[in-house]
Amino acid sequence: KAGVTQTPRYLIKTRGQQVTLSCSPISGHRSVSWYQQTPGQGLQFLFEYFSETQRNKGNFPGRFSGRQFSNSRSEMNVSTLELGDSALYLCASSPTSGGGNEQFFGPGTRLTVL
Amino acid sequence: AQKVTQAQTEISVVEKEDVTLDCVYETRDTTYYLFWYKQPPSGELVFLIRRNSFDEQNEISGRYSWNFQKSTSSFNFTITASQVVDSAVYFCALSGLNSGGYQKVTFGTGTKLQVIP
Repeated sequence: KAGVTQTPRYLIKTRGQQVTLSCSPISGHRSVSWYQQTPGQGLQFLFEYFSETQRNKGNFPGRFSGRQFSNSRSEMNVSTLELGDSALYLCASSPTSGGGNEQFFGPGTRLTVL
Repeated sequence: AQKVTQAQTEISVVEKEDVTLDCVYETRDTTYYLFWYKQPPSGELVFLIRRNSFDEQNEISGRYSWNFQKSTSSFNFTITASQVVDSAVYFCALSGLNSGGYQKVTFGTGTKLQVIP
């Protein structure tokens, strides 16, 4: 099976712009989670989607949003970018949304905000 | 609330030494899961192990072993006879349930392991 894919791999934006990141989970996986990774804050949970519904949300401002499509592919959007949004954004998929599922991570999208 | 603490930010060892990575967690859930993931320099996190809260048996997989102790809320990871390929950032994670009954995963801040040849 193909692994989790994320596009694009690298992005450079300027403050105030918006950005959309895409994640395709492993075939058959219905849960997709997003994380932000920065040197100072580590891995922080953004949100999880399962069957097109947001199941869980981390402590991020409303500028961060996401959605999931019927084929389980997911997108996350960040509006009005700030310098502090520069980070590696990781997507992870798992078969279901139940507790205890191992997560399969993609390579990430490296976002740089200038 | 869930919390995972990895107090060791960075560890350096010489190849073939044993090394233990510490993980301490906090949760009010009675059913939960603990994980270790490895993030090599390439950046992609790789799953290493999962334990549930009812299974305190230690586990060994090759050079890797894990010690889960509920009494001290710890889930430590030991690499025996370390190798240069073990150099990576290692994350401990805790999975519980949110108020809606869905999985909520909390990661520790990671421990960067450098194995020196």
